[in-house]
Amino acid sequence: GAVVSQHPSWVICKSGTSVKIECRSLDFQATTMFWYRQFPKQSLMLMATSNEGSKATYEQGVEKDKFLINHASLTLSTLTVTSAHPEDSSFYICSARARDPTNYGYTFGSGTRLTVV
Amino acid sequence: SQQGEEDPQALSIQEGENATMNCSYKTSINNLQWYRQNSGRGLVHLILIRSNEREKHSGRLRVTLDTSKKSSSLLITASRAADTASYFCATDAAGGGADGLTFGKGTHLIIQP
Repeated sequence: GAVVSQHPSWVICKSGTSVKIECRSLDFQATTMFWYRQFPKQSLMLMATSNEGSKATYEQGVEKDKFLINHASLTLSTLTVTSAHPEDSSFYICSARARDPTNYGYTFGSGTRLTVV
Repeated sequence: SQQGEEDPQALSIQEGENATMNCSYKTSINNLQWYRQNSGRGLVHLILIRSNEREKHSGRLRVTLDTSKKSSSLLITASRAADTASYFCATDAAGGGADGLTFGKGTHLIIQP
């Protein structure tokens, strides 16, 4: 079945530094990538949607200059958290939608736990 | 945006009992999906039910969908300790899927041995 590889699975960084999270679709072409954020004991909240080759669309309240999304190819999307602060500590999950959706059409990465100290 | 509401928010039952979780949503959908998430881990897709379906089974899982009430339920029969996790419903809105899935707030299920 469809697989999305997300790396790193966890990262600890110092406040003020930037962190890049990668999501790769291993056996299909991900025309659309969704990035979610999940705070402890809460649900997943959509941050942004990106289509290959175009700019990402951000949800209300999500700073596009802080959360840089690049979807340069059909198999790779990246989320860079710039100038990270402790309040950015969260679980980040990507979800890919294929050009020809399967029965459910969305494949999730395994998530990245970001801790900013 | 968050639109789904699950209830209960937390559920604790004895091993072997059945667990029922409910989900309500607000917009028209193509399908509704249920996911499981173990603490601090990624999502596991459990089952998908399309808008024209009313009930679906998969192993010990039974999902119902009532589009007139915009609600769904997930039943786990003969629960096991390994079923302890958070369960989320997620809706795929009608209109092409450009907006991704919208997740409910989740039900935290604890199965006591």
